[in-house]
Formats: sequence, C-alpha cells, structure tokens
Amino acid sequence: DAGVTQSPTHLIKTRGQQVTLRCSPKSGHDTVSWYQQALGQGPQFIFQYYEEEERQRGNFPDRFSGHQFPNYSSELNVNALLLGDSALYLCASSPTGFEAYEQYFGPGTRLTVT
Amino acid sequence: QQQVKQSPQSLIVQKGGISIINCAYENTAFDYFPWYQQFPGKGPALLIAIRPDVSEKKEGRFTISFNKSAKQFSLHIMDSQPGDSATYFCAASMLPNEKLTFGTGTRLTIIP
Repeated sequence: DAGVTQSPTHLIKTRGQQVTLRCSPKSGHDTVSWYQQALGQGPQFIFQYYEEEERQRGNFPDRFSGHQFPNYSSELNVNALLLGDSALYLCASSPTGFEAYEQYFGPGTRLTVT
Repeated sequence: QQQVKQSPQSLIVQKGGISIINCAYENTAFDYFPWYQQFPGKGPALLIAIRPDVSEKKEGRFTISFNKSAKQFSLHIMDSQPGDSATYFCAASMLPNEKLTFGTGTRLTIIP
C-alpha cells in the first residue's frame, strides 16, 4: 500500500516565478491538506481539499492556490514567488468519516527561491 | 488561542533513559492530539495520538499523558534509543479532518 507521494523532491526557482507541486494521497484517502514548513519550524496549514473543493484555508495569501482532481490527487500552485516562500511543502492525506482524525504526511517538496 | 506551545526546544537523553516532551494548548475545542516524528529531509510520521476522553495512551515504548484540566499533554519515550534521535512535534485539531495546529518542535538527541 503506497503512502502519500509528492513530486518533485526538490525544486529551485527564481523570485517572481510560478511553481506547481503535486501530491498523490494514500490509497483510500479522499482529503488532501497542504502545509508549509520553514526551516526549524512546525508545519503551517495552507489549505485543504475535499471533493475537488477548497474546504479550509489557513492564513496564506491568494498567491497560494490549489486544485484537487477526480482521482483525489492534488496540486499546490504558488505565483509570484518570494524569497520567504523557500520551505518544505508537505502534503497530508486523510479519509473522510466521523472518526477520521489521522493525517498522514508525504516526504515533502523542498522549494528554494533564489 | 490557536497556539500549541511545546517544550523543551532541544533535549539530550542517554541511551536507555526516558525522554519527556511537553505541550500546552489554550483552545478547549481541541479534540485530537497527535505526536509526529520527523527525521531530517523527511515528512512528519504519525507516532501516537490521543483523544481527551482518556488520560493516557501507550504504544510500545511511546506513551501520551493527557491532563484535560491543565490543558497539557506530554510524550514519554521509554528506554530511549539512538534511532529515536529526531525532531518531535505535538499537534492538535478540533474536528475530524480539521487542520492540524503544530507546536514548534523538540530536537531529541539520544547519546550512547
């Protein structure tokens, strides 16, 4: 059973560019959340997708947008990159259900903005 | 009110000893408290989690102690091993599939 997968592993972009990160959830999971983890910090919630809709959003600007596909995979897009966007971007998946609290993280995509 | 405060920032424990990491929260609506383990260059891995209806949960060498009245919870690692050296994060959420609010992390080092 494959866990959460993310691509690419590493990415280097220039300030002002746009980037797309991809995530495939764990088998049987239909909810995908994205988190940003700056160096030495805990992950910060960006947004969550369920049934191809953004269900929750954290305190991130509109430059951060996402999408969920019918197969539950998801993309995170960041426009007009800033140096401060350099971080590890984590995708987490979870099932839907009354007791569905557990979120499982992928290995992350390390984004460096120069 | 959404914060989760974690301490200590770093911890050094001898092999075979007990590692204890503490977290405190403000929001009484939090209903789920997981601990994650993260190795360098990897994503966080779910270690153990607890709901407020119990005061303790044990899985192998890992135990969560939960004090609802004090709004605190802690992770105890018994018989700590060098392979336990990692960064540990506590977190909290309010509802199923709700966003996780993370603590700032504790870098644990187990020395021989």
